[in-house]
Amino acid sequence: DTAVSQTPKYLVTQMGNDKSIKCEQNLGHDTMYWYKQDSKKFLKIMFSYNNKELIINETVPNRFSPKSPDKAHLNLHINSLELGDSAVYFCASSQGSALGTQYFGPGTRLTVL
Amino acid sequence: GENVEQHPSTLSVQEGDSAVIKCTYSDSASNYFPWYKQELGKRPQLIIDIRSNVGEKKDQRIAVTLNKTAKHFSLHITETQPEDSAVYFCAAPIYGQNFVFGPGTRLSVLP
Repeated sequence: DTAVSQTPKYLVTQMGNDKSIKCEQNLGHDTMYWYKQDSKKFLKIMFSYNNKELIINETVPNRFSPKSPDKAHLNLHINSLELGDSAVYFCASSQGSALGTQYFGPGTRLTVL
Repeated sequence: GENVEQHPSTLSVQEGDSAVIKCTYSDSASNYFPWYKQELGKRPQLIIDIRSNVGEKKDQRIAVTLNKTAKHFSLHITETQPEDSAVYFCAAPIYGQNFVFGPGTRLSVLP
């Protein structure tokens, strides 16, 4: 069984478009995250979210917004895509606080043309 | 601000040799330190972690040591094998909230 899954695996789109990436976890975890990994492999936290609190990395543009329809899902919406948004986006989840073992999804490679 | 540094950025070793990667952090309140391994094209996966109440933890060929006074922790891989080739990331929590990941170390094990 896939613990943390993401769709789509690849996403190619034009500048200015709006797109979403979906994430689901079946581990029963209550905290989920979005990370961005750029071409130099730097892994940066964008958001962490549980049913009580959304923590936003202050460097993330407000074109990015997480949406959680329920505890098992945390989707990432991106408006007005820019060239610099091209990266691999990883969803992750952990049990309890944000300081537990994080289980990553397979990643979504976003390419903005 | 919170910073996590990792050295070296690249490391090449001969198969069978040991590899050591060092990570330093700045938040003295940090108390949990994981190491993740990311193979090419794959997701990061936890390989070992340590909490601040111990100084060393070992799991077969992998060990992590922690020096809280100096605010650094290290990953040790002994008897390296080609399948150990990957990018390794350390991480430390910031202000008890989210993790900051180190910039990564690309380890190449040469047969």
